[in-house]
Amino acid sequence: EADIYQTPRYLVIGTGKKITLECSQTMGHDKMYWYQQDPGMELHLIHYSYGVNSTEKGDLSSESTVSRIRTEHFPLTLESARPSHTSQYLCASSELEAVREKLFFGSGTQLSVL
Amino acid sequence: DAKTTQPTSMDCAEGRAANLPCNHSTISGNEYVYWYRQIHSQGPQYIIHGLKNNETNEMASLIITEDRKSSTLILPHATLRDTAVYYCIALYNQGGKLIFGQGTELSVKP
Repeated sequence: EADIYQTPRYLVIGTGKKITLECSQTMGHDKMYWYQQDPGMELHLIHYSYGVNSTEKGDLSSESTVSRIRTEHFPLTLESARPSHTSQYLCASSELEAVREKLFFGSGTQLSVL
Repeated sequence: DAKTTQPTSMDCAEGRAANLPCNHSTISGNEYVYWYRQIHSQGPQYIIHGLKNNETNEMASLIITEDRKSSTLILPHATLRDTAVYYCIALYNQGGKLIFGQGTELSVKP
């Protein structure tokens, strides 16, 4: 089993609040990802990181920000939550082994902004 | 990274082989074909990947055509628990970012 954890699992919050979604992995993986997914829709890459102090924007524009101060930790922050941010957020880390890049996903955070 | 095209949905009878096709006609020589699946809003799960040779593991087999423009994921004896969305992705190894398309929604029926 992969050791990647996301908290909280569910979050209901009011408009305008600042929130941070936590993602931690204990596998020592350098590469980490954040995806956003609405019910029944495809996953959209919103952020990724190649390692400490590296952050890149993904293919879907997002008002969220990320940081990577430690290898094991890749939190995602929304400065002012809005109903349009309601979605599932999935964090992943990547194992690079020889010629294989294998992603391990957390259980996700289901965010509802009222 | 090359674009992939998959059917939106497929059905398969329990116990039969499920053959999921994927087109990647613009794939370049050093892009690998990866398959993941996602069961009901859980995080996607790695299944298998390959470059040009056919691959097999405990979960599935991957058949890649000689020209590498298409591939097929084979679940040899599908079970109800294989009902999921299956994603085919072309990726430069260690330099790319995994972009998931719409995938194929496989329904395994009793």
